[in-house]
Amino acid sequence: NAGVTQTPKFQVLKTGQSMTLQCAQDMNHNSMYWYRQDPGMGLRLIYYSASEGTTDKGEVPNGYNVSRLNKREFSLRLESAAPSQTSVYFCASSGVAGYYGYTFGSGTRLTVV
Amino acid sequence: GQQLNQSPQSMFIQEGEDVSMNCTSSSIFNTWLWYKQDPGEGPVLLIALYKAGKLTSNGRLTAQFGITRKDSFLNISASIPSDVGIYFCAGQLSQFYFGTGTSLTVIP
Repeated sequence: NAGVTQTPKFQVLKTGQSMTLQCAQDMNHNSMYWYRQDPGMGLRLIYYSASEGTTDKGEVPNGYNVSRLNKREFSLRLESAAPSQTSVYFCASSGVAGYYGYTFGSGTRLTVV
Repeated sequence: GQQLNQSPQSMFIQEGEDVSMNCTSSSIFNTWLWYKQDPGEGPVLLIALYKAGKLTSNGRLTAQFGITRKDSFLNISASIPSDVGIYFCAGQLSQFYFGTGTSLTVIP
């Protein structure tokens, strides 16, 4: 099915380890986003890429880096994981200016111990 | 970031009952969206609202873009067990900002 694919679905890291969350979309969308979801906090924007070749910080970018590898792929990297980064991470994509809203992946549940 | 206040935080209702939830903000938004999230999945778009004051329906769902552009509500009529999930509102300025969600439990 067309949509947004995230890998992995689950991950456990030790404090200080690094990892990259992968995201790919096949809807030819220009814009892609990374959110984190924590209980009672809703979805908070970490980074976004309005178009291929550009990335911008969102509301909670500290401790993360991103790469817009091409139009399809947008990865999120944790260089040195901390317990505060335990969360569910969602990738999303949208067409022009997000007019029709965002399409979300099914999420990556990350636990940092 | 922008604050979107969703209420109620959680609801427990009997199957067949109607549901109403709302979202308010101190900011004026250009677009309001309503999403539903099933357990273990990402949010899925239910309804998009583009014009202030307008009611929009999608099956048993009805939503309105508040006339002040600072609020929106979502109604679900005749609830069924598969309506269970978390409902999020989202308001758009340059990007979308999400509410904290309303958790809906439907008791058969």
